[in-house]
Amino acid sequence: KAGVTQTPRYLIKTRGQQVTLSCSPISGHRSVSWYQQTPGQGLQFLFEYFSETQRNKGNFPGRFSGRQFSNSRSEMNVSTLELGDSALYLCASSLEGLAGQETQYFGPGTRLLVL
Amino acid sequence: DAKTTQPNSMESNEEEPVHLPCNHSTISGTDYIHWYRQLPSQGPEYVIHGLTSNVNNRMASLAIAEDRKSSTLILHRATLRDAAVYYCILMYSGGGADGLTFGKGTHLIIQP
Repeated sequence: KAGVTQTPRYLIKTRGQQVTLSCSPISGHRSVSWYQQTPGQGLQFLFEYFSETQRNKGNFPGRFSGRQFSNSRSEMNVSTLELGDSALYLCASSLEGLAGQETQYFGPGTRLLVL
Repeated sequence: DAKTTQPNSMESNEEEPVHLPCNHSTISGTDYIHWYRQLPSQGPEYVIHGLTSNVNNRMASLAIAEDRKSSTLILHRATLRDAAVYYCILMYSGGGADGLTFGKGTHLIIQP
């Protein structure tokens, strides 16, 4: 079974631009979560999508948004990029979501550099 | 959210067992204990999880204290490939509204 894939793997943008990242979950998984990882803040939860609906949301500004399609693939969008948005963006998929019994499977991440 | 406390770093020799501790004194009865690890330049990888009883899988063993206020991840025979940051995370059985709450984890160094 193929793992979680993320595209693109690397991205360079300039301040003020917007960016869209894509995540394809493991086949059969209905939940996709997104995380931001920076050296200073570590791994922080952005949001979770389940069956095309945002179910949980972390403490990030509205510039960060996402969506999920009927095939469970998910996209994350960041508008009006700031230098501080430079980070590794990770997505994780699971069968049913963020319950304690669930295992989260992470993709390799998209490394975003904002200049 | 219940919090976990882990040592910042640990060092071990190749082919020796490694015991990675985690304290979670405010754990509730419905919190699962999860361990993930992150190898350099990769996304986190699931290692093991448990609720009350000790658990074993092909990667590691998880020993949970009787009062559940601490747990230990055991790598039975460390290899250089096990060098990574190990995260101990509590997950509420009813769903984590805050996602997986990663702390700083333990940076495991394996000496050849």
